[in-house]
Amino acid sequence: AQSVTQLGSHVSVSEGALVLLRCNYSSSVPPYLFWYVQYPNQGLQLLLKYTSAATLVKGINGFEAEFKKSETSFHLTKPSAHMSDAAEYFCAVSSNFGNEKLTFGTGTRLTIIP
Amino acid sequence: EPEVTQTPSHQVTQMGQEVILRCVPISNHLYFYWYRQILGQKVEFLVSFYNNEISEKSEIFDDQFSVERPDGSNFTLKIRSTKLEDSAMYFCASRRDRDTDTQYFGPGTRLTVL
Repeated sequence: AQSVTQLGSHVSVSEGALVLLRCNYSSSVPPYLFWYVQYPNQGLQLLLKYTSAATLVKGINGFEAEFKKSETSFHLTKPSAHMSDAAEYFCAVSSNFGNEKLTFGTGTRLTIIP
Repeated sequence: EPEVTQTPSHQVTQMGQEVILRCVPISNHLYFYWYRQILGQKVEFLVSFYNNEISEKSEIFDDQFSVERPDGSNFTLKIRSTKLEDSAMYFCASRRDRDTDTQYFGPGTRLTVL
């Protein structure tokens, strides 16, 4: 079985400050890891993914995440927050075989303080 | 850029009624999924579908639920007799093939059961 834990259901950062959203996973097989973003009243948009290639993954909108197997973590970061980053962020895990259903975390709502 | 579409965007129904949620996956995709998100909770996997049959289903996907790909383009989720607890946002997703790892999500259908 696979699972994802996102620490902090709400995170607030000032505009221009570092964004750090935490994600820890549990998986009995090598995982594929994803970050999705959900803007208000919209669907889920893929930000970035780790699929066993480079451990530091760059995504859209200046976000990046680092896969750390020893810590079972896949934290999402952005050096400088922008007002448009305000959204809900979901970490998800899947296995690299089978039908690859996604197992999501509970989400982190990011608020940007002007 | 191709995208997954879903109709309707919002559906209101009475408890006990049947509803059909419709999705048009990206045209050359082979794997299809339904997820749901109860308000304030995480996104949950319901069912995956490949080669005209269900690949995997969750415990949520009981006998009241069914999926179908009736005409080679649409992918539908039917709930036979809706319950209050079926109220949620339902997301459709598609994936191109076994060798790709990204699921593309539609904007969702908000189902409200009264």
